[in-house]
Amino acid sequence: ETGVTQSPTHLIKTRGQQVTLRCSSQSGHNTVSWYQQALGQGPQFIFQYYREEENGRGNFPPRFSGLQFPNYSSELNVNALELDDSALYLCASSSPGSNEQFFGPGTRLTVL
Amino acid sequence: KNQVEQSPQSLIILEGKNCTLQCNYTVSPFSNLRWYKQDTGRGPVSLTIMTFSENTKSNGRYTATLDADTKQSSLHITASQLSDSASYICVVSASGMTTDSWGKLQFGAGTQVVVTP
Repeated sequence: ETGVTQSPTHLIKTRGQQVTLRCSSQSGHNTVSWYQQALGQGPQFIFQYYREEENGRGNFPPRFSGLQFPNYSSELNVNALELDDSALYLCASSSPGSNEQFFGPGTRLTVL
Repeated sequence: KNQVEQSPQSLIILEGKNCTLQCNYTVSPFSNLRWYKQDTGRGPVSLTIMTFSENTKSNGRYTATLDADTKQSSLHITASQLSDSASYICVVSASGMTTDSWGKLQFGAGTQVVVTP
């Protein structure tokens, strides 16, 4: 176990709906990154948060947004869900100066 | 084009046998290379991290090698066990990466390993 937790474990939504995924980072970690992993592919970077500010973003549209809270937990929000949004969503946390990040177990999102 | 290519895409091996996974990358300038193990439906777990100056690193029955000149890495699994069944992902980062740039990591698509009794 890495100490990074995510909720919910699984989620089923329909096209056009909105979803919020949650991540609690490992104690002492103030950076959280979010990834989307399609079946059979490596994770794709969505964005990262450092001290409640977004400070890096991958090639994802604005309907993917996030938040980080003072306790460094984080949310990923996806609006106007599309079928292609079906994937495993991973969050990872890291501490300042570290070259390692620790992944949570992921949330499996299915869009019908 | 993906800057990290892994091969084979998948393999099946008998319990107790050895296997080797390959990772070729074009990321430059290179900083470090990581191998992760990812069980189905779970998050990746780090196996090894190697910097430019390291040629080999072991973690139990897992041994990673790195040739920074040819930009190739391999992960060798010795005496495979059923619990080794997972996807193994190679991840490369460029020089100058700091903790505010995790987006600069380049992930391979992974090699799916199935260990059969």
